[in-house]
Amino acid sequence: QVQLVQSGAEVKEPGASVRVSCKASGYTFTDYFIHWVRQAPGQGLEWMGWINPKSGGTKYAQNFQGRVTMTRVTSINTAYMEMSRLTSDDTAVYYCARGSAVSGGKNPSDYWGQGTLVTVSS
Amino acid sequence: DIQMTQSPSSLSASVGDRVTITCRASQGISNYLAWYQQKPGKVPKLLIYSASTLQSGVPSRFSGSGSGTDFTLTISSLQPEDVATYYCQNYDSAPRTFGQGTKVEIK
Repeated sequence: QVQLVQSGAEVKEPGASVRVSCKASGYTFTDYFIHWVRQAPGQGLEWMGWINPKSGGTKYAQNFQGRVTMTRVTSINTAYMEMSRLTSDDTAVYYCARGSAVSGGKNPSDYWGQGTLVTVSS
Repeated sequence: DIQMTQSPSSLSASVGDRVTITCRASQGISNYLAWYQQKPGKVPKLLIYSASTLQSGVPSRFSGSGSGTDFTLTISSLQPEDVATYYCQNYDSAPRTFGQGTKVEIK
C-alpha cells in the first residue's frame, strides 16, 4: 500500500532553518511528483511547490521562492523540504503528498503524509 | 496565478439536508478540479477528482460537477460524519492553489 511517512515535529528559533523528510513506500518513488502543502493553525491549505523525484526538477510557489528548497534522495525513496529564515508565520503543519505521474498527465494529490508540525518560537 | 474562490466559508445544516458548496476559478481549468475533505486534526482526504469522479471508497452521497471556471460539491444527505472542512484545488497548472475552505457543521 502507498505510504508517505514524514519526520517528527520540530521546534525552531526565528531565523533558523528546518528540514522535513517524506519517505515513500508502496510504489515506485521516481514515477510520481511529490508536492508540499502547509497549514497554519486554524487556517487553510497552502500549496508550496513540487519536486520531480526522477529528474530533481522543482517548481515553487511565488511566496516561497528563495526560501524553500526541495530535494530528494532516490536510493532511500525520500523527499525533503528545507525552509530557511523562519519566522513565527511559518508555524504550521507541513504535508507531503503524491501528485501526477512523471510520465505525463495531471492528477490530484491522492496520498498524503501524516504531517509534520513545525513551531517557530524564541 | 489562478485564484480559487469557495462559498460559503461556513454552513450549518441538519442531518439529511442537501448541502452545496461552490468553487470558482479565476480562469478556465477544464475539469482539473479536486475536492478534499479535512476532519479536525486529520490529514486532507481526496474526495473527488476530474471535477466529478468519486475517489474509491467515497460514499455516493458526495458528488461533483462543473467545468471551466465554476464547480460544485454536493452532499445529497448530510451525515454526522461529514462534519469537516472542504477544499477545492486547481491541479491544471502550478501553483496548485486551494480554495479558502468551507466548514460544514451540523445544526
